[in-house]
Amino acid sequence: DVKVTQSSRYLVKRTGEKVFLECVQDMDHENMFWYRQDPGLGLRLIYFSYDVKMKEKGDIPEGYSVSREKKERFSLILESASTNQTSMYLCASSPPRGTGNQPQHFGDGTRLSIL
Amino acid sequence: AQSVAQPEDQVNVAEGNPLTVKCTYSVSGNPYLFWYVQYPNRGLQFLLKYITGDNLVKGSYGFEAEFNKSQTSFHLKKPSALVSDSALYFCAGYGGATNKLIFGTGTLLAVQP
Repeated sequence: DVKVTQSSRYLVKRTGEKVFLECVQDMDHENMFWYRQDPGLGLRLIYFSYDVKMKEKGDIPEGYSVSREKKERFSLILESASTNQTSMYLCASSPPRGTGNQPQHFGDGTRLSIL
Repeated sequence: AQSVAQPEDQVNVAEGNPLTVKCTYSVSGNPYLFWYVQYPNRGLQFLLKYITGDNLVKGSYGFEAEFNKSQTSFHLKKPSALVSDSALYFCAGYGGATNKLIFGTGTLLAVQP
């Protein structure tokens, strides 16, 4: 079974802090994704990466950055946390689409509260 | 613009009755469609996918989905609902040639005992 592990289930931080969310997958997937989930808005893509050291902006990248130094690990960084970044953050991974349009596999999420 | 729509925010059904959760899509090229389920405080779990072939796709936990090209729909179904099926359901699809999945806004399924 594919395992996507997010380092924290719950996290509380203060405004202005630099926040790191970590995600590790064990299936050697090339693609990794960060989403945020808010009630009524569904999942919105923040950033994704299709290879080590590669990254592309998603739909809502403002206020976030990412790092992918190793294939299995994809980090989301909130440069200066603000209260409007309080949300559920979901990491996902998948093989490239050329391998048969496989589904993305998700971690259990990190519920982040910014006070 | 490419999109996936779930027209119902919530679906209520009695245990033992059939259930349908609706999804329509608008994507370029051949549609590749997925259903996911999310239980409280958990991530999304993959249920089933349509890539090509039979219009009726069977997935996990007794769920199935019917792909209808003329109606651009991909509705999720189950013949007999269980209380444990109560969860948030997401429809998603690949749009164009990118690796980005487009998600619907989710439908909360509530199964009453």
